[in-house]
Amino acid sequence: QQQVKQSPQSLIVQKGGISIINCAYENTAFDYFPWYQQFPGKGPALLIAIRPDVSEKKEGRFTISFNKSAKQFSLHIMDSQPGDSATYFCAALTSGTYKYIFGTGTRLKVLA
Amino acid sequence: SQTIHQWPATLVQPVGSPLSLECTVEGTSNPNLYWYRQAAGRGLQLLFYSVGIGQISSEVPQNLSASRPQDRQFILSSKKLLLSDSGFYLCAWSGGLVSNQPQHFGDGTRLSIL
Repeated sequence: QQQVKQSPQSLIVQKGGISIINCAYENTAFDYFPWYQQFPGKGPALLIAIRPDVSEKKEGRFTISFNKSAKQFSLHIMDSQPGDSATYFCAALTSGTYKYIFGTGTRLKVLA
Repeated sequence: SQTIHQWPATLVQPVGSPLSLECTVEGTSNPNLYWYRQAAGRGLQLLFYSVGIGQISSEVPQNLSASRPQDRQFILSSKKLLLSDSGFYLCAWSGGLVSNQPQHFGDGTRLSIL
């Protein structure tokens, strides 16, 4: 119940296309959902985050869609660029706790 | 602004040797601190976290240990390294007194055991 299931494991998208990465959870106590972007040899960097009181959050080309009833959330990268090629992790946290539950990661490759 | 420092960036150690990796955070007080390990092409495995000086919670029983001697310093240690300890070690911090805050990661230490 503490897991966050992330899919797909890898994704190849043409430049200018939309990249979509999905995450699903079971624990309804989760109330904070960040996404991280990791380039090779670097630590993950916070990309965007959402709380369950909103269904969508957009920052530039990155959008999180949140479906509370389905217990799913997804990252959409619009107009994907080769520079977006990285590994993306979703995560979940329950207020008042300290453990972030991470998905297994999605390796995105954007073809030029 | 807050920054997190990890060193060294890379480390090559023989089997059976000791280990000490250090992480420090600047620009914040009383952070929650974390150590993760990431195998090549894999996800993040939480090893230890700390909510205060001297307070360490272990997630994975193994030959690694962690210590927090100062508020913004987190150290990962081992007395005798195993081949299986190879990996990418990441330190992270989050706001200690505020709920629903993201973690912020350092740039990691690549540890190779020979």
